[in-house]
Amino acid sequence: GESVGLHLPTLSVQEGDNSIINCAYSNSASDYFIWYKQESGKGPQFIIDIRSNMDKRQGQRVTVLLNKTVKHLSLQIAATQPGDSAVYFCAEMILDSSYKLIFGSGTRLLVRP
Amino acid sequence: DADVTQTPRNRITKTGKRIMLECSQTKGHDRMYWYRQDPGLGLQLIYYSFDVKDINKGEISDGYSVSRQAQAKFSLSLESAIPNQTALYFCATSPAGPITGELFFGEGSRLTVL
Repeated sequence: GESVGLHLPTLSVQEGDNSIINCAYSNSASDYFIWYKQESGKGPQFIIDIRSNMDKRQGQRVTVLLNKTVKHLSLQIAATQPGDSAVYFCAEMILDSSYKLIFGSGTRLLVRP
Repeated sequence: DADVTQTPRNRITKTGKRIMLECSQTKGHDRMYWYRQDPGLGLQLIYYSFDVKDINKGEISDGYSVSRQAQAKFSLSLESAIPNQTALYFCATSPAGPITGELFFGEGSRLTVL
């Protein structure tokens, strides 16, 4: 498959455990934060998003937490499954006239059976 | 069949050659994007188009050009390829309306410039 990152930070978890992937963002003016999942050989896939006026949002088995004070974003995956193995990217966006989605460098999640 | 299709999926070329990467979509989305991905880095926006008559530069547009031939087609060209343009290129789409961060990506085109 395609290599999306040779030297990415890697998180290794046991199947069934919870995973927490962290991201530090750069712009305090960002309005919107998004998590993407990229499996080997595929394009990124949207997971969940959160607006800057929220601090928590839940989806199916995933929760995103936003701490604007320290400019930190996290993605929590409950009961991690082998299919969750992928590279995860956070992204930030300012909702102004010039659309720009700024991606982080990614974290590789490995799920041990 | 994929909703966002990129061709070619893999291409090896030589310095100075002109290269075109094509993207077509069946999602009916107005907005289309080209991103570049390098190992160890996130995706960087090259160009984007909000409709057929709209073209905008992204973060790293130098050395690239685009053409929005129709709502469903958005091509990326490298007029004179250079080795540091070796990367994985992704096309993405999103629907019109309030901007969200949800983009729909193709499976990528790996370009190697020798």
